[in-house]
Amino acid sequence: ETGVTQSPTHLIKTRGQQVTLRCSSQSGHNTVSWYQQALGQGPQFIFQYYREEENGRGNFPPRFSGLQFPNYSSELNVNALELDDSALYLCASSLADKKAMVQETQYFGPGTRLLVL
Amino acid sequence: QQQVKQSPQSLIVQKGGISIINCAYENTAFDYFPWYQQFPGKGPALLIAIRPDVSEKKEGRFTISFNKSAKQFSLHIMDSQPGDSATYFCAARLGGSEKLVFGKGTKLTVNP
Repeated sequence: ETGVTQSPTHLIKTRGQQVTLRCSSQSGHNTVSWYQQALGQGPQFIFQYYREEENGRGNFPPRFSGLQFPNYSSELNVNALELDDSALYLCASSLADKKAMVQETQYFGPGTRLLVL
Repeated sequence: QQQVKQSPQSLIVQKGGISIINCAYENTAFDYFPWYQQFPGKGPALLIAIRPDVSEKKEGRFTISFNKSAKQFSLHIMDSQPGDSATYFCAARLGGSEKLVFGKGTKLTVNP
């Protein structure tokens, strides 16, 4: 086990609703990345938070937003849910050295399975 | 240009055999290449990783071979076991960034 936890494990929403997913990073880690994994595909990078600020974003619309808290836990918020948002949402934590911007490997949580009907 | 192409899509190997999964990339800005193992209902777990200044890295039964000039890297699983049956993802990290780009995955089945 990596020490990265996510909640809830499963979630069912209807189109147009909003959802909040939560992640607790591994102890000692200061960076959280979020990925979307559609069925049968590899994870796709959504965005990353480093010390409470967004530090890079993938090709996802603004209705995907996030937060990182002082304890380095994080939330992913998705507004105006669409059917294609159905996926496994993965959180990964890592330790970033600001000076070198070199990160250790990202460790993934078990994910939240979101189904949009 | 930011894609990582992974093959094969699925692989069936007999117990004790060698499993080989290949990945290729175009972007020379990638600076770190991890492999992840994912079991059904679980998140990806880091298996082994390599940097482009190294041509091979071995950890137990798992070996990464890296060919920088060909922009290819591969995972070899020696003495494959039924417990190795999982989906394997190669990934690449853009240098100076935090983004991991994943391949589409290889479903490995090791028959007893």
